[in-house]
Amino acid sequence: EPEVTQTPSHQVTQMGQEVILRCVPISNHLYFYWYRQILGQKVEFLVSFYNNEISEKSEIFDDQFSVERPDGSNFTLKIRSTKLEDSAMYFCASSEHLYSNQPQHFGDGTRLSIL
Amino acid sequence: EDQVTQSPEALRLQEGESSSLNCSYTVSGLRGLFWYRQDPGKGPEFLFTLYSAGEEKEKERLKATLTKKESFLHITAPKPEDSATYLCAVQAYTGANSKLTFGKGITLSVRP
Repeated sequence: EPEVTQTPSHQVTQMGQEVILRCVPISNHLYFYWYRQILGQKVEFLVSFYNNEISEKSEIFDDQFSVERPDGSNFTLKIRSTKLEDSAMYFCASSEHLYSNQPQHFGDGTRLSIL
Repeated sequence: EDQVTQSPEALRLQEGESSSLNCSYTVSGLRGLFWYRQDPGKGPEFLFTLYSAGEEKEKERLKATLTKKESFLHITAPKPEDSATYLCAVQAYTGANSKLTFGKGITLSVRP
């Protein structure tokens, strides 16, 4: 069964450093998402992406965050200058269509630890 | 603002002891309500989508139902392998809004 894959599984970074999280969505999916989950809290929406541009973003997704689809298979989330509060599990998701008739499928996440 | 509240936070069952998990929601027009299963250290795994009040979906020992204010995930004769965190999420019917708003989840433990 096709799946969303994320690398690395765990990233440890010094505060202030840039980090790039990588995702390979399911191959025929057109809509891509990033969510995050701080330990013990809810899964929170960060950004959605379609046709090489951001469709929607949350208040969390400030100027320190950016997303890119550098080629036909990868989807990346970059944090320019990491802060301690960026420590969380980051999940990539993809869907075939925009709305609920095709659900979002999630990867197993990247655990980001900021020291 | 869309909100999802799940209860109880944790539930411990004996194998074979049926129960229900609750998801209450407020949303500006419901496009879809989703149930996901999340195992420790893993991403959410899709279970069901419900679209309108009165709808029901079943998969093995799980059945999801929907009303205008809440959804239930019924677990019939659970097994230890059903132990996981069950997440409820809503998608609102607002323009191009496709984001999911999640609840905190219900951690289910099934003892053999």
